[in-house]
Order: sequence, then structure tokens, then C-alpha cells
Amino acid sequence: ILNVEQSPQSLHVQEGDSTNFTCSFPSSNFYALHWYRWETAKSPEALFVMTLNGDEKKKGRISATLNTKEGYSYLYIKGSQPEDSATYLCAANDYKLSFGAGTTVTVRA
Amino acid sequence: DAGVIQSPRHEVTEMGQEVTLRCKPISGHNSLFWYRQTMMRGLELLIYFNNNVPIDDSGMPEDRFSAKMPNASFSTLKIQPSEPRDSAVYFCASSPSLAGGDYNEQFFGPGTRLTVL
Repeated sequence: ILNVEQSPQSLHVQEGDSTNFTCSFPSSNFYALHWYRWETAKSPEALFVMTLNGDEKKKGRISATLNTKEGYSYLYIKGSQPEDSATYLCAANDYKLSFGAGTTVTVRA
Repeated sequence: DAGVIQSPRHEVTEMGQEVTLRCKPISGHNSLFWYRQTMMRGLELLIYFNNNVPIDDSGMPEDRFSAKMPNASFSTLKIQPSEPRDSAVYFCASSPSLAGGDYNEQFFGPGTRLTVL
């Protein structure tokens, strides 16, 4: 099991503001980094899977970057909307996923 | 595609009883994962299968827990005897492949909320 840490644990954002948060993971034995979005009372849904150092992926207003050499990934939400409220999980993959504890984002209207 | 199917969605049982959770992965996916989610420990991997074969069960908490995958379209997680500390949400997920680029993406089922009294 890889030690995956996410920070902050939670954050509150005003609607329309942009925000970002961090996932750190061991840079050795790294294969891929996953981001999942988990809404209350639902199941996690995959956002991104990234493998290459410097990778950047985007889905609508949400984007992510990856630095495998230093072992971190950022997730960005641009122009936050109430529907972005969820827990965002990252997971490091060294052939099985080790999840972080998540960052819970609450967007206030 | 209906996605990953889990049953039951909710289970309430008494301590000492046997509990069986069921999962049907997405057709064509050859990797299946069982996770447990608790407030204290977050989302933790219990066991995963590749091509119906258990690959890593190091996350299974103790001998009371067992999992099987008799064929590519069905898996069970059994707890016998159950204890109150087993109360959690149990997720099943499937993936097209165990390794290789974007195919590592996992698709989660809706989960089974287990309460052991």
C-alpha cells in the first residue's frame, strides 16, 4: 500500500471562485495517478488517469497536473459551481490503487 | 451498459450472522476489486481479482472475510461471523485491465451499506 496524502482535508469556495488542492505520493514505484470525484450518497467516478511526468488533463472546468519526480499532483477547479461540491480522491497506482483520504470541496452559492 | 451492480444495497444483520455481498462487474472487464469505506480508514482495498483469480488479498482484515469469483460475471464477499466493527460501506469496482495506460480506470458500483447490530 502506497502512502498517499491529500491536502487540505476540506475547503469551502465561493461560487465563481477558482481553487486547487494537492495529492502527494511516493515517487518511486509509480505507475499512474488517478483522480476520482465522489458525491455524497453516490460512488466514486473517475476523472483522470495520468502516467507521464508533466501530464496535464482537463475535463470542462476541472484540470489536473502531474509531477512524478517530486511526487505530487494538483487538481484545479475553475469558476467553482455548487455542483462541484464533492470529495475528490486521488489514488496512486503501483498495480493496485492506494487512495488518499480525499479533499472535500463545498461550493457556497 | 448497466455499470457495476451490487446487491443488496443495504444490509442490517445481527452480530454472529453470515453476510454475503454480491457484485456483477461490467461485461468485458477482467479485473474486480472489493473496497471497504469507513470514517476512520477511508477507502481501503480488501482484495482484487484478475481473470477470476485472486491476486492480492492482503487487505482482507481477518479470516472471517472471504471472497470468491467463480466466473467473470460474479463475485461475492462473505463475512462469517459478522461483528459490529464490520459495519461499513462495501464497494465493488471493475476495470478493463489490470495494467496499461488509461485502462486502469476503475468503475465503482453503488456500494452495499452494511450495519451489524
